[in-house]
Amino acid sequence: AQSVTQLDSHVSVSEGTPVLLRCNYSSSYSPSLFWYVQHPNKGLQLLLKYTSAATLVKGINGFEAEFKKSETSFHLTKPSAHMSDAAEYFCVVTIGYAGNMLTFGGGTRLMVKP
Amino acid sequence: EPEVTQTPSHQVTQMGQEVILRCVPISNHLYFYWYRQILGQKVEFLVSFYNNEISEKSEIFDDQFSVERPDGSNFTLKIRSTKLEDSAMYFCATFGALGHGYTFGSGTRLTVV
Repeated sequence: AQSVTQLDSHVSVSEGTPVLLRCNYSSSYSPSLFWYVQHPNKGLQLLLKYTSAATLVKGINGFEAEFKKSETSFHLTKPSAHMSDAAEYFCVVTIGYAGNMLTFGGGTRLMVKP
Repeated sequence: EPEVTQTPSHQVTQMGQEVILRCVPISNHLYFYWYRQILGQKVEFLVSFYNNEISEKSEIFDDQFSVERPDGSNFTLKIRSTKLEDSAMYFCATFGALGHGYTFGSGTRLTVV
């Protein structure tokens, strides 16, 4: 079984400041981890994925995440927030990388102030 | 960039009616899924489909729900007799190990009135 906890339901940052969205996971087996973004009234877009290769993963739009097995964490970061980053972000876990079901975290709404 | 296409984007239906949500998966993907997101809640797994049969389903996916690939390209979710609590955004997703991994469609917003 697997589960995901996103530690903050809302995060507010000023434009140009760093972004940190926190995610902890639990998995009985080697996990694959993902971050998805959902803009208002839009679908789910993959930001980045970890599938047992490099622990520091770079994604689109300047986002990156680091897989830390000892801390069971997969936090999402970005050095400088843009207004267009305002959206809902989901941390997602699955077992392996072979088509198993995805388990979503509760989401973090990122607000970016001008 | 290959896409998963879902139709319709919005559907309003009366309680008790049957609805069919449609998805066109990425052509060389073999795993298909339906997820739903009730407004303000997390995205929940409904069902996965591989090799023309259900491979896994959640407890949400009861006898009111069914899935099929009627023509080898479309992947459909049918809700036989809709309830108010079925109102949600329904996402189709596909998985291909080479390249695109899990890809989601843009969703169908179902409103049951």
